[in-house]
Amino acid sequence: AQSVAQPEDQVNVAEGNPLTVKCTYSVSGNPYLFWYVQYPNRGLQFLLKYITGDNLVKGSYGFEAEFNKSQTSFHLKKPSALVSDSALYFCAVRPTGNQFYFGTGTSLTVIP
Amino acid sequence: GAGVSQTPSNKVTEKGKYVELRCDPISGHTALYWYRQSLGQGPEFLIYFQGTGAADDSGLPNDRFFAVRPEGSVSTLKIQRTERGDSAVYLCASSPRTGGETQYFGPGTRLLVL
Repeated sequence: AQSVAQPEDQVNVAEGNPLTVKCTYSVSGNPYLFWYVQYPNRGLQFLLKYITGDNLVKGSYGFEAEFNKSQTSFHLKKPSALVSDSALYFCAVRPTGNQFYFGTGTSLTVIP
Repeated sequence: GAGVSQTPSNKVTEKGKYVELRCDPISGHTALYWYRQSLGQGPEFLIYFQGTGAADDSGLPNDRFFAVRPEGSVSTLKIQRTERGDSAVYLCASSPRTGGETQYFGPGTRLLVL
């Protein structure tokens, strides 16, 4: 069965510190990988994606993610967190086919 | 430009009633997806359209759920004989074409079945 895991429901980080939001997956083939962010009362917004090529992907708002095939992980990172980064983050994968599978989300709180 | 819009933003109905949820994708986007997001969960795939046809409806939970996209643009998700367990946020997303393209999500319709 296809699955995406975000092992941390909640991540707290001090403003200015680096942040990591974890994602691992179990899907067939070579999936496409995505990160989305959801602010309160707003739709999901695309942050970045990995299709192929360089394992380090850079996206919107200074976020980046590292694809690790051997660990089947796609962790989201940012060198210096901002209070405005506080939101709900979702990892998503698309195996072969048209279906996208989302994790359960990680709530990020950046503490001033 | 205009993003994906969904109407209504909120819908309250009684158990057993019929509801329709509407999605207006970004103009020119050929791919359209419906998802259901329950509290504390990530979006769950329901159905995918490429143009007018439902290319993959394997995520629809049962035959009470149906979706159409007659002209390849606006889509309507229809739920018959609603049940309390159908209460969730229903999300629509569109993308320029199928495959690994970025999906652009609407704000969702929050459905509450009493």
